[in-house]
Amino acid sequence: SQTIHQWPATLVQPVGSPLSLECTVEGTSNPNLYWYRQAAGRGLQLLFYSVGIGQISSEVPQNLSASRPQDRQFILSSKKLLLSDSGFYLCAWHQQGGGTEAFFGQGTRLTVV
Amino acid sequence: GENVEQHPSTLSVQEGDSAVIKCTYSDSASNYFPWYKQELGKGPQLIIDIRSNVGEKKDQRIAVTLNKTAKHFSLHITETQPEDSAVYFCAARKGGGKLIFGQGTELSVKP
Repeated sequence: SQTIHQWPATLVQPVGSPLSLECTVEGTSNPNLYWYRQAAGRGLQLLFYSVGIGQISSEVPQNLSASRPQDRQFILSSKKLLLSDSGFYLCAWHQQGGGTEAFFGQGTRLTVV
Repeated sequence: GENVEQHPSTLSVQEGDSAVIKCTYSDSASNYFPWYKQELGKGPQLIIDIRSNVGEKKDQRIAVTLNKTAKHFSLHITETQPEDSAVYFCAARKGGGKLIFGQGTELSVKP
């Protein structure tokens, strides 16, 4: 069966420090991968979307970047965190093709102080 | 690109009543419409989905309806229970493209 792992679960980082959040998927190949951010207002904002290794679509201009070094690994990074980067970050995946369920990780609660 | 609007943002019902959440989408080519339930501090989980070749789908107390002409779809929960309290999200996707979410509805079921 397929599973998605996202870590860490919580993170407190000072302003200006770097960030690296990792997401891995097991039990499938060539998934579509996503990073979403959820602020206090509850909405799921799409940050990055990837259809394959090295193929990253950035949805909004921001202080973050994403990389996909392996087929089932998706990394969210920042060189220097801002207070506004605080939020709940969610990784998700679904199989290629239409009409397929997307599965979410358990999320990372990031607090920038 | 696709834009999904969801209403209401908050909904409070008495246990046993029905709850309805509505979404509209902008891209007429979207053909997959899932609904997710998110409990506090957790990732969203799929509760029901519908594809554009179907107008209605039901799973026990949960149903989803789709009106392609009007580009809107709705979630219906009957006989609500306190454990239905959560944030619900609708979403839309075109083919194998990006999954775009609505803003979420916080449902509160009062015993």
